[in-house]
Parts: sequence; C-alpha cells; structure tokens
Amino acid sequence: NFVVTQPHSVSESPGKTITISCTGSGGSIASNYVQWYQQRPGSVPATVIYEDDHRPSGVPDRFSGSVDSSSNSASLTISGLKTEDEAVYYCQSYHDNTWVFGGGTKLTVL
Amino acid sequence: QVQLVQSGAEVQKPGSLVKVSCKASGYPFSSYAMHWVRQAPGQSFEWLGWINIANGNTKYSKRVQDRFTITRDSSASTVYMELSSLRFEETAVYYCVRDGGINTGPYWGQGTQVTVSS
Repeated sequence: NFVVTQPHSVSESPGKTITISCTGSGGSIASNYVQWYQQRPGSVPATVIYEDDHRPSGVPDRFSGSVDSSSNSASLTISGLKTEDEAVYYCQSYHDNTWVFGGGTKLTVL
Repeated sequence: QVQLVQSGAEVQKPGSLVKVSCKASGYPFSSYAMHWVRQAPGQSFEWLGWINIANGNTKYSKRVQDRFTITRDSSASTVYMELSSLRFEETAVYYCVRDGGINTGPYWGQGTQVTVSS
C-alpha cells in the first residue's frame, strides 16, 4: 500500500521560510503528480500547488513545490511567511488510479 | 468561473442511505472527472471514488466499494454520490472535487455535512 507521511506540525516566525515535507512509502512519489491543499479552520480546502510545482492563478509566488526522487518526497515551501498562511496543509498523490492524502501539517506562524 | 455547488446537510440513522449532489458550472461538464472525498472531524481526507463524466466509468475505494455509488446526470451537469448502510463513524464532511486541467489544479465543492446519529 502506498502511503504519504507529513510532519504533524511546524511553526515559524513571520517573514521566515518554511518547508513541509511529504514522504512516500510503498511506492515512488515521483511517479505521479503531487498536489498541495491549504485548509484554514472551518474552510474549504484550496489548491496551492498542483502537478508538483505549479501554482494556480491567485496563489502568491511565495508558495512553491518540488519533488525529490532520491528521498522519495515532495516539499511545499512558503517564503516570507504571513500570519494568514496559518492553516493545515495536505499533500495528495496517486496510487493505482486512486488519490492518497497525507495526514496534514499544521502550520503556526507566530 | 468554475463552481461546484453541493446539496445541504443531512442527518441519517445508522444503516440508512444518504445521497449528495454536486452541481457543476463554468466549464465543459464532460471534460473533467469528478472525485468524492470525505473528512471526519479533526481528520485528514479519505478518497472515496471517482467518475469519468464522459463515459460514466467509476472507481471506488476498497473500503466503501460495496456500499458506495457515483452517478452523473449530464443534462443537469450534476454528479451524485450515494452511501448506504451508514455507520456512526462515517459522520464527516463530504466533498466533490473536480480533476485539475491545463493550468488549473483541482476545484473543491463547498462540502456537505453528513451526520450519522440515532
């Protein structure tokens, strides 16, 4: 079974840069695209990165995505952190034509 | 602009059935697959299944495949999910999510709260 694992929580100060990892096991994360979703409390998830490293229109270029096949992981990097970035971030990949979600990473900006 | 509007909240008894709709607009309905995912309170997302709108082919999660059905009505640009034999632990927000396309990521509906309670 393909599983993707994220850190439970991260925190950083405003203006700094944070990277959230999404590590695959039971398969290659680089074999399929990875999406990243932002979910603020009580809100609908929003796509911040799709197809590994693409940003939907309207998402600031402070958000970037990458995949590293050597570590079998994907990463979401947010630079110039703002308090409005505080949310839970989920990675999503694919396996056997199904979607696989990570457990989510709570980002605290303090 | 792409919009996915889901039906309203449901309260159902254990063992019963729930049907949720997702009306799409702002894009060619048959050009993109539609997925259903759910999120239990305080949890991550669980993928339930998807439908190829153009040909009606479906694929379901092994966890729910015996009780879960996705259908579509192309004349109404609407996708439906039906989950039977409901269990308490299936209380969750159910979302329809449209596949991403060229220059776009996936689009999410607003979610439908399904509460299973006796």
